[in-house]
Amino acid sequence: KQEVTQIPAALSVPEGENLVLNCSFTDSAIYNLQWFRQDPGKGLTSLLLIQSSQREQTSGRLNASLDKSSGRSTLYIAASQPGDSATYLCAARSGGATNKLIFGTGTLLAVQP
Amino acid sequence: GAGVSQSPSNKVTEKGKDVELRCDPISGHTALYWYRQSLGQGLEFLIYFQGNSAPDKSGLPSDRFSAERTGGSVSTLTIQRTQQEDSAVYLCASSLGTGGRAFFGQGTRLTVV
Repeated sequence: KQEVTQIPAALSVPEGENLVLNCSFTDSAIYNLQWFRQDPGKGLTSLLLIQSSQREQTSGRLNASLDKSSGRSTLYIAASQPGDSATYLCAARSGGATNKLIFGTGTLLAVQP
Repeated sequence: GAGVSQSPSNKVTEKGKDVELRCDPISGHTALYWYRQSLGQGLEFLIYFQGNSAPDKSGLPSDRFSAERTGGSVSTLTIQRTQQEDSAVYLCASSLGTGGRAFFGQGTRLTVV
């Protein structure tokens, strides 16, 4: 059974800092891994999708990496801004017959101006 | 439509009543997911539809929960004889095929009083 863990649960940084969010998964036989952000009272916004054959994906100030063998993914945010404050969630999509997304519990990020 | 649409956005119901929640996925997306997010909790998988395949119902918490997807498009999640513990935000997502990026709706906030 796939389990996804995110560390830290909460993080507070001053504006301008670079930061890394961590995601671990127990079953390395994933199809892909996706990072989302969730603002309070809102749905989820897709940030990056990494296929199992890829090592990383980049979008603007965001860079996500994937290491299947160690069961880890990281989301790197460069030059953080107050507008980056949100909960960040990773989700692993299992391969095979089961294609559901299994979510971590998220990292609550606060970027202080 | 441009994105995943869910209705209603908010629903207050009395304990014991039945409720129906609706999800309109992005046009052409063959995969559709329902998740539940309780206050302060992570996303709990409920059910997954992919094309004409039998749905993955493994996340439905009890037989009071059911979902259908008509014509491969609109989906309805039905909760019978609602209980207070059913209070949560119900989120729907769709993706293009099993490996595509998942896009979420804004959710339906269900309150059972």
